[in-house]
Amino acid sequence: KAGVTQTPRYLIKTRGQQVTLSCSPISGHRSVSWYQQTPGQGLQFLFEYFSETQRNKGNFPGRFSGRQFSNSRSEMNVSTLELGDSALYLCASSLSPTGGNQPQHFGDGTRLSIL
Amino acid sequence: QQQVKQSPQSLIVQKGGISIINCAYENTAFDYFPWYQQFPGKGPALLIAIRPDVSEKKEGRFTISFNKSAKQFSLHIMDSQPGDSATYFCAAQSNYQLIWGAGTKLIIKP
Repeated sequence: KAGVTQTPRYLIKTRGQQVTLSCSPISGHRSVSWYQQTPGQGLQFLFEYFSETQRNKGNFPGRFSGRQFSNSRSEMNVSTLELGDSALYLCASSLSPTGGNQPQHFGDGTRLSIL
Repeated sequence: QQQVKQSPQSLIVQKGGISIINCAYENTAFDYFPWYQQFPGKGPALLIAIRPDVSEKKEGRFTISFNKSAKQFSLHIMDSQPGDSATYFCAAQSNYQLIWGAGTKLIIKP
């Protein structure tokens, strides 16, 4: 069974631009969560989608948005990029939404660098 | 109340020794406590998990000890190997959110 696939693996953007990151969950998984990982802040929860609906959202500005498609694939978008958005963005999929005691399985992330 | 406090931030252990990482929480609604292992350039991978009705769970060299009354849980790595060098994250789950510890960078010296 293929794992969680995130594309692209690396991305370089400049301030003010926008970016879209993609995540393909494990087959059969309907829950997708997104995290931002930085050396100083650890893993910060962005949002979770289940069956195309945003189920939960972390404490990030509205510049960060996401969506989920009917095939459970998910995208996240960051608009008006800032230097502080440089981070590793991780996607995790699960059989059931958080709270269902199903583990989250992570992709290897997209490394976003803002110049 | 939603925080999970993880310590130490970094840990150096000799090969063959025992590595111990501790986590503490406040919210008694947490009902699932996983540990993840992350190697550089990779996403976190589930290592082992425990529910609060169990005081200990062992999988190979990895053991979770859980103290419900103290609201603490810890990861023990027995016979630590250089290949165990990684960052370890504890987490705690309630019915809608997974709260993460800050991570522990573990280095096993050969």
